Amino acid sequence: DSGVTQTPKHLITATGQRVTLRCSPRSGDLSVYWYQQSLDQGLQFLIQYYNGEERAKGNILERFSAQQFPDLHSELNLSSLELGDSALYFCASSVGGGGQEYNEQFFGPGTRLTVL
Amino acid sequence: GQSLEQPSEVTAVEGAIVQINCTYQTSGFYGLSWYQQHDGGAPTFLSYNALDGLEETGRFSSFLSRSDSYGYLLLQELQMKDSASYFCAVSSLYNFNKFYFGSGTKLNVKP
Repeated sequence: DSGVTQTPKHLITATGQRVTLRCSPRSGDLSVYWYQQSLDQGLQFLIQYYNGEERAKGNILERFSAQQFPDLHSELNLSSLELGDSALYFCASSVGGGGQEYNEQFFGPGTRLTVL
Repeated sequence: GQSLEQPSEVTAVEGAIVQINCTYQTSGFYGLSWYQQHDGGAPTFLSYNALDGLEETGRFSSFLSRSDSYGYLLLQELQMKDSASYFCAVSSLYNFNKFYFGSGTKLNVKP
Protein backbone atom coordinates (compact mmCIF):
# COMPACT_ATOMS: atom_id res chain seq x y z
CA ASP A 1 0.00 0.00 0.00
CA SER A 2 1.59 3.25 -1.22
CA GLY A 3 -0.53 5.52 0.97
CA VAL A 4 -2.12 7.18 -2.07
CA THR A 5 -5.87 6.67 -2.27
CA GLN A 6 -8.11 6.98 -5.30
CA THR A 7 -11.87 6.85 -5.61
CA PRO A 8 -13.86 5.37 -7.13
CA LYS A 9 -12.14 2.09 -7.97
CA HIS A 10 -14.38 1.45 -10.94
CA LEU A 11 -16.59 3.76 -12.96
CA ILE A 12 -18.91 2.85 -15.79
CA THR A 13 -20.58 5.62 -17.73
CA ALA A 14 -21.94 6.52 -21.14
CA THR A 15 -20.51 8.59 -23.97
CA GLY A 16 -21.06 12.29 -23.59
CA GLN A 17 -21.12 12.16 -19.80
CA ARG A 18 -18.85 13.85 -17.28
CA VAL A 19 -17.04 12.17 -14.39
CA THR A 20 -14.78 13.22 -11.54
CA LEU A 21 -11.93 11.10 -10.23
CA ARG A 22 -10.52 11.80 -6.81
CA CYS A 23 -7.04 11.35 -5.37
CA SER A 24 -5.61 11.82 -1.90
CA PRO A 25 -1.82 11.95 -1.77
CA ARG A 26 0.38 10.38 0.89
CA SER A 27 0.55 12.37 4.08
CA GLY A 28 3.15 15.12 3.65
CA ASP A 29 3.36 14.90 -0.13
CA LEU A 30 2.85 18.19 -1.94
CA SER A 31 2.77 17.02 -5.56
CA VAL A 32 0.05 15.10 -7.32
CA TYR A 33 0.39 13.64 -10.81
CA TRP A 34 -2.27 12.17 -13.08
CA TYR A 35 -1.60 9.45 -15.65
CA GLN A 36 -3.76 7.62 -18.18
CA GLN A 37 -3.07 3.99 -19.07
CA SER A 38 -4.99 2.51 -21.97
CA LEU A 39 -5.17 -1.26 -22.45
CA ASP A 40 -1.69 -2.83 -22.66
CA GLN A 41 -0.06 0.57 -23.01
CA GLY A 42 2.40 2.61 -21.03
CA LEU A 43 1.40 5.42 -18.77
CA GLN A 44 0.70 8.77 -20.38
CA PHE A 45 1.48 11.76 -18.20
CA LEU A 46 -1.46 14.13 -18.03
CA ILE A 47 -0.73 16.84 -15.47
CA GLN A 48 1.12 17.67 -12.25
CA TYR A 49 0.11 19.93 -9.38
CA TYR A 50 2.42 21.13 -6.67
CA ASN A 51 0.98 22.69 -3.54
CA GLY A 52 -2.16 23.78 -5.34
CA GLU A 53 -0.58 25.10 -8.52
CA GLU A 54 -0.24 23.51 -11.91
CA ARG A 55 3.41 22.59 -12.40
CA ALA A 56 3.64 20.56 -15.60
CA LYS A 57 1.29 19.56 -18.35
CA GLY A 58 1.38 16.60 -20.70
CA ASN A 59 -0.89 15.64 -23.57
CA ILE A 60 -4.04 16.35 -21.63
CA LEU A 61 -7.14 16.83 -23.74
CA GLU A 62 -9.09 20.07 -23.49
CA ARG A 63 -12.08 18.00 -22.33
CA PHE A 64 -10.05 17.04 -19.25
CA SER A 65 -9.23 19.33 -16.37
CA ALA A 66 -7.78 18.94 -12.91
CA GLN A 67 -7.22 20.85 -9.74
CA GLN A 68 -5.51 20.46 -6.40
CA PHE A 69 -7.32 21.73 -3.34
CA PRO A 70 -5.92 23.42 -0.20
CA ASP A 71 -5.97 20.09 1.64
CA LEU A 72 -3.82 18.77 -1.26
CA HIS A 73 -6.29 16.25 -2.58
CA SER A 74 -6.83 16.43 -6.31
CA GLU A 75 -9.65 15.83 -8.73
CA LEU A 76 -9.50 14.97 -12.42
CA ASN A 77 -12.59 15.96 -14.38
CA LEU A 78 -13.32 14.23 -17.66
CA SER A 79 -16.15 15.61 -19.78
CA SER A 80 -17.87 14.81 -23.10
CA LEU A 81 -16.58 11.28 -22.65
CA GLU A 82 -15.74 9.17 -25.67
CA LEU A 83 -15.24 5.43 -26.01
CA GLY A 84 -11.49 6.01 -26.34
CA ASP A 85 -11.35 7.55 -22.89
CA SER A 86 -11.83 4.10 -21.37
CA ALA A 87 -8.63 3.48 -19.44
CA LEU A 88 -7.01 3.15 -16.05
CA TYR A 89 -6.37 6.53 -14.50
CA PHE A 90 -3.59 6.65 -11.94
CA CYS A 91 -2.73 9.31 -9.49
CA ALA A 92 0.76 9.52 -7.99
CA SER A 93 2.25 11.74 -5.33
CA SER A 94 5.69 12.85 -4.25
CA VAL A 95 7.16 14.86 -1.42
CA GLY A 96 8.58 17.60 -3.64
CA GLY A 97 8.22 18.43 -7.29
CA GLY A 98 8.12 22.18 -7.12
CA GLY A 99 11.75 22.70 -7.97
CA GLN A 100 14.50 21.19 -10.01
CA GLU A 101 14.99 17.98 -8.13
CA TYR A 102 13.99 14.38 -8.82
CA ASN A 103 11.25 12.87 -6.69
CA GLU A 104 10.17 9.26 -6.46
CA GLN A 105 6.50 8.99 -7.32
CA PHE A 106 4.14 6.76 -5.35
CA PHE A 107 1.15 5.51 -7.29
CA GLY A 108 -2.39 4.95 -6.12
CA PRO A 109 -4.43 1.85 -7.04
CA GLY A 110 -6.08 3.60 -9.99
CA THR A 111 -9.61 4.19 -11.21
CA ARG A 112 -10.81 1.98 -14.04
CA LEU A 113 -13.08 4.03 -16.29
CA THR A 114 -15.30 2.27 -18.81
CA VAL A 115 -17.20 4.40 -21.30
CA LEU A 116 -20.04 2.56 -23.04
CA GLY B 1 9.82 14.85 -28.41
CA GLN B 2 10.46 11.68 -26.49
CA SER B 3 10.47 8.06 -27.55
CA LEU B 4 11.38 4.94 -25.62
CA GLU B 5 11.76 1.40 -26.87
CA GLN B 6 11.49 -1.75 -24.80
CA PRO B 7 10.88 -5.35 -25.84
CA SER B 8 7.18 -6.14 -25.54
CA GLU B 9 7.62 -9.51 -23.85
CA VAL B 10 10.35 -11.61 -22.24
CA THR B 11 10.13 -15.15 -20.86
CA ALA B 12 12.56 -16.71 -18.39
CA VAL B 13 12.63 -19.57 -15.90
CA GLU B 14 12.60 -19.36 -12.15
CA GLY B 15 16.07 -18.81 -10.70
CA ALA B 16 17.47 -17.37 -13.92
CA ILE B 17 18.74 -13.87 -14.73
CA VAL B 18 16.92 -11.63 -17.19
CA GLN B 19 17.83 -8.24 -18.68
CA ILE B 20 15.21 -5.79 -19.94
CA ASN B 21 16.60 -3.14 -22.25
CA CYS B 22 15.40 0.39 -22.82
CA THR B 23 16.62 2.79 -25.48
CA TYR B 24 15.41 6.34 -25.53
CA GLN B 25 15.42 9.51 -27.55
CA THR B 26 14.65 12.65 -25.68
CA SER B 27 15.58 16.29 -25.56
CA GLY B 28 17.12 17.37 -22.28
CA PHE B 29 17.49 13.93 -20.75
CA TYR B 30 17.90 13.94 -16.98
CA GLY B 31 17.34 10.44 -15.65
CA LEU B 32 15.90 6.98 -16.21
CA SER B 33 13.51 5.27 -13.82
CA TRP B 34 12.13 1.74 -13.70
CA TYR B 35 8.70 0.73 -12.44
CA GLN B 36 7.07 -2.65 -11.92
CA GLN B 37 3.36 -3.20 -12.47
CA HIS B 38 1.45 -6.38 -11.76
CA ASP B 39 -1.71 -6.96 -13.80
CA GLY B 40 -4.25 -4.27 -12.97
CA GLY B 41 -2.12 -2.98 -10.12
CA ALA B 42 -0.35 0.25 -9.31
CA PRO B 43 3.14 0.87 -10.70
CA THR B 44 5.79 0.62 -8.00
CA PHE B 45 9.19 2.27 -8.11
CA LEU B 46 12.20 0.01 -8.58
CA SER B 47 15.20 2.19 -9.35
CA TYR B 48 16.52 5.44 -10.74
CA ASN B 49 19.70 6.35 -12.62
CA ALA B 50 20.85 9.86 -13.39
CA LEU B 51 24.52 9.01 -13.79
CA ASP B 52 26.23 6.38 -15.92
CA GLY B 53 26.78 3.05 -14.27
CA LEU B 54 25.09 0.34 -12.30
CA GLU B 55 22.75 0.79 -9.34
CA GLU B 56 22.06 -2.32 -7.29
CA THR B 57 19.08 -2.89 -5.01
CA GLY B 58 18.83 -6.46 -3.81
CA ARG B 59 17.99 -8.79 -6.69
CA PHE B 60 17.38 -5.86 -9.03
CA SER B 61 20.03 -3.73 -10.72
CA SER B 62 19.70 -0.91 -13.21
CA PHE B 63 22.27 0.41 -15.63
CA LEU B 64 22.51 3.63 -17.61
CA SER B 65 24.75 4.77 -20.45
CA ARG B 66 23.94 8.37 -21.29
CA SER B 67 26.25 8.41 -24.30
CA ASP B 68 24.38 5.44 -25.81
CA SER B 69 20.91 6.63 -24.69
CA TYR B 70 20.46 3.17 -23.25
CA GLY B 71 19.64 1.52 -20.00
CA TYR B 72 18.63 -1.85 -18.68
CA LEU B 73 17.03 -3.50 -15.71
CA LEU B 74 18.63 -6.72 -14.51
CA LEU B 75 16.62 -9.14 -12.43
CA GLN B 76 18.51 -11.97 -10.73
CA GLU B 77 17.32 -15.17 -9.03
CA LEU B 78 13.96 -14.81 -10.71
CA GLN B 79 10.90 -15.71 -8.69
CA MET B 80 7.37 -16.42 -9.88
CA LYS B 81 6.21 -13.21 -8.23
CA ASP B 82 8.48 -11.24 -10.59
CA SER B 83 6.00 -11.95 -13.39
CA ALA B 84 4.78 -8.45 -14.17
CA SER B 85 5.22 -5.59 -16.61
CA TYR B 86 8.31 -3.43 -16.32
CA PHE B 87 8.36 0.14 -17.56
CA CYS B 88 11.27 2.46 -18.15
CA ALA B 89 10.58 6.17 -17.87
CA VAL B 90 12.70 9.18 -18.74
CA SER B 91 12.60 12.54 -17.06
CA SER B 92 13.82 15.74 -18.57
CA LEU B 93 16.03 18.63 -17.54
CA TYR B 94 13.07 20.95 -18.01
CA ASN B 95 10.97 19.17 -15.40
CA PHE B 96 12.60 16.36 -13.46
CA ASN B 97 9.25 14.99 -12.39
CA LYS B 98 7.52 14.88 -15.78
CA PHE B 99 7.96 11.24 -16.71
CA TYR B 100 7.64 9.75 -20.18
CA PHE B 101 7.00 6.03 -19.94
CA GLY B 102 7.84 3.29 -22.39
CA SER B 103 5.07 0.88 -23.38
CA GLY B 104 6.40 -1.76 -21.02
CA THR B 105 7.93 -5.24 -21.11
CA LYS B 106 5.81 -8.14 -19.93
CA LEU B 107 8.00 -10.61 -18.05
CA ASN B 108 6.74 -14.17 -17.81
CA VAL B 109 8.56 -16.32 -15.25
CA LYS B 110 8.04 -20.04 -15.73
CA PRO B 111 8.75 -22.79 -13.19
